[in-house]
Amino acid sequence: NAGVTQTPKFQVLKTGQSMTLQCAQDMNHNSMYWYRQDPGMGLRLIYYSASEGTTDKGEVPNGYNVSRLNKREFSLRLESAAPSQTSVYFCASSEWGYSNQPQHFGDGTRLSIL
Amino acid sequence: DAKTTQPTSMDCAEGRAANLPCNHSTISGNEYVYWYRQIHSQGPQYIIHGLKNNETNEMASLIITEDRKSSTLILPHATLRDTAVYYCIVLMNSGGYQKVTFGIGTKLQVIP
Repeated sequence: NAGVTQTPKFQVLKTGQSMTLQCAQDMNHNSMYWYRQDPGMGLRLIYYSASEGTTDKGEVPNGYNVSRLNKREFSLRLESAAPSQTSVYFCASSEWGYSNQPQHFGDGTRLSIL
Repeated sequence: DAKTTQPTSMDCAEGRAANLPCNHSTISGNEYVYWYRQIHSQGPQYIIHGLKNNETNEMASLIITEDRKSSTLILPHATLRDTAVYYCIVLMNSGGYQKVTFGIGTKLQVIP
């Protein structure tokens, strides 16, 4: 019962480098989400995928791209990393469109951009 | 979106009940109240949710007032491992996805 698994757990990048954060869930959920969390702030939605084959922008999508590889996997890519993207990134999954079903979160990827 | 208001921090003695309040006076009829917690350096953990009725599970109880404008999360016997930031959120569907807005939450410190 892994739930939502994120890799890597930690990463340090230099400005301008690219990187892909991986997320996989084993709960057969339709929807998946990417959030970032900065000190003193709540979670902010970057992108989401309602179902396999669809992706949409959230509140703070600039500088990111996503891929819903299949029902299980949802990746987040930083094409050209910037120091402002230093953050903790969380992936989550849930059933689609049902407000009585909770989101389940991974343990995050801590990303530092130098 | 319905907003929530929580105290910034609270203390609770180990073994006692922790009662965490939340105000959500603008909640609409089809919005659920959810509680999550985040233990340092981990992802948010789902605790419990409810619509109108009080709810209980193996982790906690949720008491929602009759007018649904406020709720209380109860951890019946707090342990040191319950030290965390607790988030009260109102979950709505927005354009087909669950729009989850996490505020600052309540930092609960369980004291030995």
